[in-house]
Amino acid sequence: DGGITQSPKYLFRKEGQNVTLSCEQNLNHDAMYWYRQDPGQGLRLIYYSQIVNDFQKGDIAEGYSVSREKKESFPLTVTSAQKNPTAFYLCASSIVPGGYNEQFFGPGTRLTVL
Amino acid sequence: AQSVTQLGSHVSVSEGALVLLRCNYSSSVPPYLFWYVQYPNQGLQLLLKYTTGATLVKGINGFEAEFKKSETSFHLTKPSAHMSDAAEYFCAVSGSQGGKLIFGQGTELSVKP
Repeated sequence: DGGITQSPKYLFRKEGQNVTLSCEQNLNHDAMYWYRQDPGQGLRLIYYSQIVNDFQKGDIAEGYSVSREKKESFPLTVTSAQKNPTAFYLCASSIVPGGYNEQFFGPGTRLTVL
Repeated sequence: AQSVTQLGSHVSVSEGALVLLRCNYSSSVPPYLFWYVQYPNQGLQLLLKYTTGATLVKGINGFEAEFKKSETSFHLTKPSAHMSDAAEYFCAVSGSQGGKLIFGQGTELSVKP
């Protein structure tokens, strides 16, 4: 089955630690996205990538970093510079970048800072 | 800039009643509009989308939405609510670059037996 996988489902981090969230897709999609979801705030875009080895900052990129070395993979690192990282993180992909193309979402990773 | 406003953070209906979730958008270019549904602790699933053409769009699970340019609205409806419809619903408009989606704040739908 084609789809998007995110791991782990739950992640706990101590303050001052960097953590990396995994996102893999086997849909052969060019574009991939990372969103952060907080209660009552909808989804906010962190980073997106339209093609391998290229990515752009979204609306709330500070304290996060990404890489896109392979078409299938778009990992997100939450650094110690992110002051309030506790949230639900969603990865998405679309066949090509373009406003008319729907995005397909993974099941999410819930990050909690202890 | 594009934006989305969903009127009502919580909507409660009885089973069998009409579901109406409101979405208004702002866009300086012809919009592409989407409705997604999210069940607790899960990702988002596309319900329906409007790109061009027919303004009444039918989606999965009996939902439909009508694009009204004059009212800048894209409200989601379902004639008869089912208990399984209880979830959070997000309206979104596409951005002007890179396929970015701008999401509304979400509406939580509760269905009473």
